[in-house]
Amino acid sequence: QQQVKQSPQSLIVQKGGIPIINCAYENTAFDYFPWYQQFPGKGPALLIAIRPDVSEKKEGRFTISFNKSAKQFSLHIMDSQPGDSATYFCAASALFQGAQKLVFGQGTRLTINP
Amino acid sequence: EAGVAQSPRYKIIEKRQSVAFWCNPISGHATLYWYQQILGQGPKLLIQFQNNGVVDDSQLPKDRFSAERLKGVDSTLKIQPAKLEDSAVYLCASSLLLGHTDTQYFGPGTRLTVL
Repeated sequence: QQQVKQSPQSLIVQKGGIPIINCAYENTAFDYFPWYQQFPGKGPALLIAIRPDVSEKKEGRFTISFNKSAKQFSLHIMDSQPGDSATYFCAASALFQGAQKLVFGQGTRLTINP
Repeated sequence: EAGVAQSPRYKIIEKRQSVAFWCNPISGHATLYWYQQILGQGPKLLIQFQNNGVVDDSQLPKDRFSAERLKGVDSTLKIQPAKLEDSAVYLCASSLLLGHTDTQYFGPGTRLTVL
């Protein structure tokens, strides 16, 4: 119930392409959905986040699409660059028993070829 | 603003030995988290502190893992005795408050290898 399923596990895209990473959740108590970007040897860093009352959020080249009825959300990266090569994690957050519960997906290793 | 600091960055130990990790959160952040990230997986929360009190330790294997946050600032995570399956990156994160939309800022992690 507290799982977040993420796909694909890995993705290779040519520079300028639009990689899409998908996530799904079951527990409707989740009401905040951040995406984290992790480079090798570094900790995850918040990239962009969305609440379920909106269907899309865009920040620069990064866009989250959210489908509340399907309990799915996705990350799109426009005009992808080699510097975007990293592992991306979707996550879902809720307040459970007074504590923030942040559940991560399994991650997608993205490679952008020049 | 300085980020979350962790040490050591790497640690190799034999199984059944003990190990400790240290974390210094961002100044002023009340909430501190320890996560375990196994290779190829997303981070999994082990324990969460609000100031120096434990908020959630439901996923901490308490028979071998322990953690404390002294004076509501620095924190240590200890494993005793270590098992092979404890090989992972241990991430520390902090957030300003406890709200579930508060951004968590992660440190670089400690990579533990248990032989």
